[in-house]
Amino acid sequence: KAGVTQTPRYLIKTRGQQVTLSCSPISGHRSVSWYQQTPGQGLQFLFEYFSETQRNKGNFPGRFSGRQFSNSRSEMNVSTLELGDSALYLCASSHGTGMDTQYFGPGTRLTVL
Amino acid sequence: DAKTTQPNSMESNEEEPVHLPCNHSTISGTDYIHWYRQLPSQGPEYVIHGLTSNVNNRMASLAIAEDRKSSTLILHRATLRDAAVYYCILRPIIQGAQKLVFGQGTRLTINP
Repeated sequence: KAGVTQTPRYLIKTRGQQVTLSCSPISGHRSVSWYQQTPGQGLQFLFEYFSETQRNKGNFPGRFSGRQFSNSRSEMNVSTLELGDSALYLCASSHGTGMDTQYFGPGTRLTVL
Repeated sequence: DAKTTQPNSMESNEEEPVHLPCNHSTISGTDYIHWYRQLPSQGPEYVIHGLTSNVNNRMASLAIAEDRKSSTLILHRATLRDAAVYYCILRPIIQGAQKLVFGQGTRLTINP
């Protein structure tokens, strides 16, 4: 079956703009989690959505938000971009129950100028 | 979130076994030990997980210390494709909890 897909793969924005990233999970998966990866901080959990509800949230400012649609596809939005938001944004999907394996997408590389 | 400690980097030769250590002295009785790896320019991928007993799958083996304060991921015959950053992660047994807390991981280099 098809893996997790993320669009776009690369994005360049300027400070102050906003951006929306998209994640399509594996068919049948109801949970989508988002992570930020930077050289300095490593991989950090942003939030998780399950059945259209945010179920878990990491320690990121309110500029970072997300949502999930009825088909389990998820979007992540970052408003008022800062230089420090430059990162690889990864999403992962799973069934969302118990000790599920999480399947990661290839990520979206965001550069903020 | 319980913390894990791994060496920053390790190096090995192709077709030799690799033992990747992980310390987790503050592990609780309800924490599973998971390993993921991240190949260059890719998202992380699941490798293996266990609770108390040693585990084997087609990718690797996981050896867990009797007191569960440490574990070792074993790649039996490393190939160049195993060059990646390996992450040891503790996941609590909480129904539905999907959050993964990544440390810095071990960057594994495989020499031909």
